[in-house]
Amino acid sequence: AQKITQTQPGMFVQEKEAVTLDCTYDTSDPSYGLFWYKQPSSGEMIFLIYQGSYDQQNATEGRYSLNFQKARKSANLVISASQLGDSAMYFCAMREDTITGANSKLTFGKGITLSVRP
Amino acid sequence: DSGVTQTPKHLITATGQRVTLRCSPRSGDLSVYWYQQSLDQGLQFLIQYYNGEERAKGNILERFSAQQFPDLHSELNLSSLELGDSALYFCASGPLAFDTQYFGPGTRLTVL
Repeated sequence: AQKITQTQPGMFVQEKEAVTLDCTYDTSDPSYGLFWYKQPSSGEMIFLIYQGSYDQQNATEGRYSLNFQKARKSANLVISASQLGDSAMYFCAMREDTITGANSKLTFGKGITLSVRP
Repeated sequence: DSGVTQTPKHLITATGQRVTLRCSPRSGDLSVYWYQQSLDQGLQFLIQYYNGEERAKGNILERFSAQQFPDLHSELNLSSLELGDSALYFCASGPLAFDTQYFGPGTRLTVL
């Protein structure tokens, strides 16, 4: 079963508007972390935001916020006041914090392409 | 700039050859991870090292191997290369095992 699902094939947003990128996840671990990364056309992976499963409040980092709905197993990224430089591929990822702590790998979704229109 | 460095940036080689990708983690980071990004498989975890020891293995082929040295830099060795090994290989690092992973710029491998 897919652990991270990003079903939006491509998103378009007007400059200065807000946009929400969807992510749903599946895990039976009570402790886990959710991440969003940005990959511009140049290829690098840029860390944007992190949400822990026990965090009471939604994470925010500047123009980025994470709409965490634990019961629905969703972790949507909200980008406010979009800029042209936000055009990129966005990946949602999950780290399952196993009891032994042996494996802290990230499992990624397939990504969403965001295009910001001037 | 994440602080993680990877060399080389691009690598073009032929089938059957062997290559070594190098990664220097951020200063102070003990964990190093290798990921492969390809069009058909997406981003996949290969292997993790923590303070010199292998911690976890993912979908890493037997033709691939890695190690982390005492100075914490890591190398990923790919041998008997096939066309399907063409991909973007990322190294990531984090302070401990359960911290945010910061990615390097990647090495783009093309096997002809």
